[in-house]
Amino acid sequence: DADVTQTPRNRITKTGKRIMLECSQTKGHDRMYWYRQDPGLGLRLIYYSFDVKDINKGEISDGYSVSRQAQAKFSLSLESAIPNQTALYFCATSDLRGTHSTGELFFGEGSRLTVL
Amino acid sequence: GENVEQHPSTLSVQEGDSAVIKCTYSDSASNYFPWYKQELGKGPQLIIDIRSNVGEKKDQRIAVTLNKTAKHFSLHITETQPEDSAVYFCAAINAGGTSYGKLTFGQGTILTVHP
Repeated sequence: DADVTQTPRNRITKTGKRIMLECSQTKGHDRMYWYRQDPGLGLRLIYYSFDVKDINKGEISDGYSVSRQAQAKFSLSLESAIPNQTALYFCATSDLRGTHSTGELFFGEGSRLTVL
Repeated sequence: GENVEQHPSTLSVQEGDSAVIKCTYSDSASNYFPWYKQELGKGPQLIIDIRSNVGEKKDQRIAVTLNKTAKHFSLHITETQPEDSAVYFCAAINAGGTSYGKLTFGQGTILTVHP
């Protein structure tokens, strides 16, 4: 089984609908992230959480919200989806214990969202 | 904040040739530079990284070089093979700063290795 699991892997929805993307991890990492990937734009950070009680906005958080239900679970919500939120979404985890740790990111396999 | 520019956006080579992908960064405080490889249908995976106290690092057919003065770093793949075909992302971070744990990624390079 994958260490970082995203559901659903593919979703087609309509403008205005509420969508939730879920992420669970078995790596035991404290830090979890949601990234969005668009062609030519690379990976852009939406939200990140350094522990269960810590939620932070990334560079493109508008239109998104998150919930850290447990150390192992981090979900991303689109309250009212719009077409320009069509993208590939990745959840990632990292472990920054240790003074020399740089926090290698471990990614899930992605959730492809299409908003019509 | 940090800004990372990556070039080229696409790169096509023949099997056995070398491939070079270049990135520039803006924040002189950045001190850790990883490279991620994303295969089709998969999430990105770390393949090599370099810290600012090192100018070059090699791992079999891949190497990364860093020029701190010019604020650019490059990925070099020698003797390319079809399985090297993927999207490659560079990234930068100040691993000891307030952005600790938040990588800034480049735009990605689609590498195609033709048999």
